[in-house]
Amino acid sequence: GESVGLHLPTLSVQEGDNSIINCAYSNSASDYFIWYKQESGKGPQFIIDIRSNMDKRQGQRVTVLLNKTVKHLSLQIAATQPGDSAVYFCADRLGGSRLTFGEGTQLTVNP
Amino acid sequence: KAGVTQTPRYLIKTRGQQVTLSCSPISGHRSVSWYQQTPGQGLQFLFEYFSETQRNKGNFPGRFSGRQFSNSRSEMNVSTLELGDSALYLCASSLSVDTGELFFGEGSRLTVL
Repeated sequence: GESVGLHLPTLSVQEGDNSIINCAYSNSASDYFIWYKQESGKGPQFIIDIRSNMDKRQGQRVTVLLNKTVKHLSLQIAATQPGDSAVYFCADRLGGSRLTFGEGTQLTVNP
Repeated sequence: KAGVTQTPRYLIKTRGQQVTLSCSPISGHRSVSWYQQTPGQGLQFLFEYFSETQRNKGNFPGRFSGRQFSNSRSEMNVSTLELGDSALYLCASSLSVDTGELFFGEGSRLTVL
């Protein structure tokens, strides 16, 4: 069965605000999580990953937080821009390139 | 550097037919994986290949098969198509097998009538 899921299917924010997209997982053995972004008509694009020995990782305008106690991770996007409008997926890795994806959150950025 | 290339981009088949989809990975990438994306089931793993060997297979019936060639290019085949096989089929490549950083193509949109 699915091991990752997202809390909200849609999220609408104003341009310039910070966005937070949440994800829960059920498998305590999961040790590697990845966030992807998928724009309309395109394949998913890697954003950032985090391993279970970390609780926070930062990239360019993005931060991923991992709370292993409650099996929750979040993706924070700073100063959200219209180009950030997309579907965001969290995924965990079962092994190799075998990823289990959540349902996705549609992020809409309003000007 | 060119990205992952998938052909054809769009195709329409009828039930019972078979289809072959092609994927050219990023140059230097030896790991190729395939995913099916549908509105109802989301993104689901099909298979993964590395150095012409299938390393992992998802929970799909035997009608779904694939292979990888010595130049890392990959193909997947679906035989005896069913209406439920209508989906976007995504190919992804990566430098190694120990990474979640996959580079996806734009997909092949299959419609089964």
